[in-house]
Amino acid sequence: QSALTQPASVSGSPGQSITISCTGTSSDVGGYNHVSWYQQHPGKVPKLMIYDVSNRPSGVSNRFSGSKSGNTASLSISGLRAEDEADYYCSSFTSGITYVFGTGTRVTVL
Amino acid sequence: QVQLVQSGAEVKKPGDSMRVSCRASGYTFTDNYIHWVRQAPGQGLQWMGWINPNGGGTNCAQNFQGRVTMTRDTSITTAYMELRSLRSDDTAVYYCVRAPRGSSFDPWGQGTLVTVSS
Repeated sequence: QSALTQPASVSGSPGQSITISCTGTSSDVGGYNHVSWYQQHPGKVPKLMIYDVSNRPSGVSNRFSGSKSGNTASLSISGLRAEDEADYYCSSFTSGITYVFGTGTRVTVL
Repeated sequence: QVQLVQSGAEVKKPGDSMRVSCRASGYTFTDNYIHWVRQAPGQGLQWMGWINPNGGGTNCAQNFQGRVTMTRDTSITTAYMELRSLRSDDTAVYYCVRAPRGSSFDPWGQGTLVTVSS
């Protein structure tokens, strides 16, 4: 199972909106609504931000939203803040009853 | 609150085996799968496998088939992950994480650094 493809880096200025893509295949992202997103600050444990494509856990800011079209899922962050600077990973359930993570995206707030 | 507490850091030699434990608390242990994820230094997250504490069924990524064993002891609400025939590129932080619903992995254990070096 190959890792899902994410851009290596995305940047934006405070207050702006950014979108991170996560591209897989019909055997993972495209085949199931089981895509989730994780935020990881340096040296910290990953934190769940979005699950099942577009659901936000309690406590996660509504500035974070998720969507999916075909084999590509997306995480959008609106009103970018300095504390959003982190690595972001997508994950998907797969047809092998396994999971796969994305390659990861470094978000930089300019 | 829901918490996963992992065993401490280990240093191993190539060819050794490692075992990481993950003690769960704050919820009914058999209600949710436990997954194992690792992260090599400076690298991304890599999913390794899952165990269903209710019955002990497991599945793992193809990369680890034949080399990883996941078990659990429901009496002490603890999951274990054993990785054999260690190589230097197995050096990583190993995480256990609960899967409470759908595709969510939450919360994560604090991570266990395993260093493989001769």
